[in-house]
Parts: sequence; C-alpha cells; structure tokens
Amino acid sequence: ELRVEQNPLFLSMQEGKNYTIYCNYSTTSDRLYWYRQDPGKSLESLFVLLSNGAVKQEGRLMASLDTKARLSTLHITAAVHDLSATYFCAVDGAGGGADGLTFGKGTHLIIQP
Amino acid sequence: NAGVTQTPKFQVLKTGQSMTLQCAQDMNHEYMSWYRQDPGMGLRLIHYSVGAGITDQGEVPNGYNVSRSTTEDFPLRLLSAAPSQTSVYFCATRRDYGYTFGSGTRLTVV
Repeated sequence: ELRVEQNPLFLSMQEGKNYTIYCNYSTTSDRLYWYRQDPGKSLESLFVLLSNGAVKQEGRLMASLDTKARLSTLHITAAVHDLSATYFCAVDGAGGGADGLTFGKGTHLIIQP
Repeated sequence: NAGVTQTPKFQVLKTGQSMTLQCAQDMNHEYMSWYRQDPGMGLRLIHYSVGAGITDQGEVPNGYNVSRSTTEDFPLRLLSAAPSQTSVYFCATRRDYGYTFGSGTRLTVV
C-alpha cells in the first residue's frame, strides 16, 4: 500500500523561529511535490523535486529530497506570519497503480507574532 | 489564459440527486484528473485521463463517472449523490512534471 506520512500534522510556532516539516513515503517514486493551501483556496505549487539529493529554495522555504531514505523535508527559516497555511507533500503514483498523486494529510502551520 | 476552470464553485444536493462538476482547461494538457479533499485529509485521486477518449480509475472511484470527449473538458458525474460525497473537489491537469489545480468545487449532500 502506498503511504505518504507527514509530521507534524499541526505546528504552532513563533515568528523568527526555524522549523522543519518531514514527509516520509513508501513508494520508489523519485518525484516529490510540495504544495501550500490557504483556507478555502486551491493548492499552490511550491516545489517539484525530481531526483535524489535535489534541493530547492524560495524565500524562507527550502525543500530537499532523499530518495534512498524516502524522505523529503520542508525547512522554514525565520518564519513570518504570512507563511501560515497548510502544507502538503505528494508523490507520483496512486493506489492500484493509478497515474496521479498520493498526498500526505498536510501540516497545518500557524505562525504567531 | 484561464488555466483550469471549475464550475460551479459551490453546490448543495439532496441525497439521490445527480449532477455534473465541470472542469475545463485552455493549456492543451493531455492529462486531467479529479481529486476529492475531506477535512484533515490530503487529496485523493478519483479518476484521471491521459487524453481524449481515455479514462481510468483512481483510488476512490466508486459513485463517480467521467468521460473525456475533448482535450479541453473533463466532467465528473455523480449519478446518485450520497452524504459521503460531501467534499471539496479539485480538477488538475499535468504537463511534464507540473500539476495545475483548479479553484475547487465545494459540494454538500444533505
């Protein structure tokens, strides 16, 4: 069974602090995606990681992929309130061999002043 | 260039009613798909299509039908709505390794 597990599922942190969200997956897929979702909105693509050792950065967010460990991380540096949202990781491949994404349950991030 | 357009944005149905959720794209992407999102869950794949005339089942296809007669449109049909189908539905296209999601349809079945 294909599984994507994120932790933590809920995170409250203060502005200025650093933190990491972890995404473990059970497939051998080499493609991993990170999305942001604001309440009542659609998914906004943050990063697409296509190979082992891939690292991408955009502003205060940095994502990495270790395909051997089947682990991706999303690191937040010096958090600001505007980063409050729910973050999802997803991997290529769905149950039963279907062609699509399998998502983690999401990390609900609240950044407080 | 509208990207992926979903209609309606909100819908309330009574149990047993039928309806079609519309998804249209203007990016000429061959791949289109439907997901549902339930509270506290990530998105789950319902059906997908790799081109006109080709559809296949995802993880949670029961209770839903799809067809793909054109590249642009990929409608999702609920033949007899059930309360368990209350959810937010997202349509997504894909080109190369990038997915583009629509704005979603929030469906409530009472």
